[in-house]
Amino acid sequence: GQQVMQIPQYQHVQEGEDFTTYCNSSTTLSNIQWYKQRPGGHPVFLIQLVKSGEVKKQKRLTFQFGEAKKNSSLHITATQTTDVGTYFCAGPGFGNEKLTFGTGTRLTIIP
Amino acid sequence: SAVISQKPSRDICQRGTSLTIQCQVDSQVTMMFWYRQQPGQSLTLIATANQGSEATYESGFVIDKFPISRPNLTFSTLTVSNMSPEDSSIYLCSVGQRIEAFFGQGTRLTVV
Repeated sequence: GQQVMQIPQYQHVQEGEDFTTYCNSSTTLSNIQWYKQRPGGHPVFLIQLVKSGEVKKQKRLTFQFGEAKKNSSLHITATQTTDVGTYFCAGPGFGNEKLTFGTGTRLTIIP
Repeated sequence: SAVISQKPSRDICQRGTSLTIQCQVDSQVTMMFWYRQQPGQSLTLIATANQGSEATYESGFVIDKFPISRPNLTFSTLTVSNMSPEDSSIYLCSVGQRIEAFFGQGTRLTVV
C-alpha cells in the first residue's frame, strides 16, 4: 500500500532559526496536503498543493510539491514559539478519497 | 468548511469493556473517516463510513473490533470493543479528505 515518510522525525531549533521537513510518497499523489498538530490538539489543515513543481507561501511558511508529485517540503523561516507542534504531510492517491498521512516531524523550539 | 463535534473527549476504561465514540458534523457529508493515533505516532486510517452501506475497513482493522454506524449524513459512531491496553490511543473522526480534511477534537482513550 501507499507509504508516506517524513524526515526528520524530530527537530529542535533555537527560536529564530529555520526549519525544514521533507515528505516522500511511495506512489504518485493527486495532491499533497500539510497539517499542523499542536500538542494535545487535532490536526489542522495548512495548505494543499496540486500542480507538479508548485510552490506556495504563507507568511514564513514555504511549501513545495515535487516535479514527479511524489515528494514535498515545508520550510519555516525564522521560527517562533508558536510554530511548536508536529507537521504532517498527507496525500490521496489518484482515484482515491482516502488520505495517507506521513510519519510526521515534531518541531520543538528552544527560546 | 465543516465543524465536527466529537465525544467523549477522553475516557478511562477497564479492559474487556467497550466504548462508543460519537461524531456529529454540522453539514451533510458523503464519507466520514475514522483514524487512530497512537502516542507519538502518525494517523492511521481505521475505516471509511458511508451512509447506507457497511463501512470499509483498512488492513489490520476488523468490524468485530471496531464496529461503525452511519445512520445519516451528519452522524457516525465508532465502537472500540473488548478493549485491551493496546487500544489506548487517540481516536479521530474526519471529513472532507480530497481537498482539506476537518477533524473532530479527538477522543483520548486509556485502557487499564
